[in-house]
Amino acid sequence: GQQVMQIPQYQHVQEGEDFTTYCNSSTTLSNIQWYKQRPGGHPVFLIQLVKSGEVKKQKRLTFQFGEAKKNSSLHITATQTTDVGTYFCAGMREGTGSGTYKYIFGTGTRLKVLA
Amino acid sequence: GAVVSQHPSWVICKSGTSVKIECRSLDFQATTMFWYRQFPKQSLMLMATSNEGSKATYEQGVEKDKFLINHASLTLSTLTVTSAHPEDSSFYICSARAHRPSGGTYEQYFGPGTRLTVT
Repeated sequence: GQQVMQIPQYQHVQEGEDFTTYCNSSTTLSNIQWYKQRPGGHPVFLIQLVKSGEVKKQKRLTFQFGEAKKNSSLHITATQTTDVGTYFCAGMREGTGSGTYKYIFGTGTRLKVLA
Repeated sequence: GAVVSQHPSWVICKSGTSVKIECRSLDFQATTMFWYRQFPKQSLMLMATSNEGSKATYEQGVEKDKFLINHASLTLSTLTVTSAHPEDSSFYICSARAHRPSGGTYEQYFGPGTRLTVT
């Protein structure tokens, strides 16, 4: 089965507070991507991490890929109401055919920001 | 940027009928497309990997005879839900992987999804 877990499952924060979601895979990942899905919408690509220990920033968002390439985190500084949505990590793993890959999505963290 | 479309965006069908969902990459070629299923407030579950010109690879527990996938060209993959039942009601999302790696890795672009309701 798909084995990419995210914690927490839900998070309610006051606007201005920080938020972090953690992604853990049971196996080593080739790379990891992060997506945001608004209610009723489809996943929107945020970023991709490839290298062990890689850290990338996008304005208030900080993404990190673990040294063992089995975990990752997304940290949002000073949340805003526009940050509301579900954040998914997606780990890239080798598929069954030679040279094929597939993405396994994490369980997601649903963020609510209270104004 | 890369755009992936899905058609239809929503469909209601009667139990026992079949429904075809199309996934198109509009401005790039996609040798590989992925089909996901998402239940309300849950994650995306990979159903199958569709490779152009070859048979799809299905994930464990997904019935290949029920969910027929055809990837006839580098820009089109279709998912047909055969003999649909109410439990097949879900949000089906496709994604397409760019033909050429970007920066040494592949990027994945999602379609807007198709909401299927079986009555």
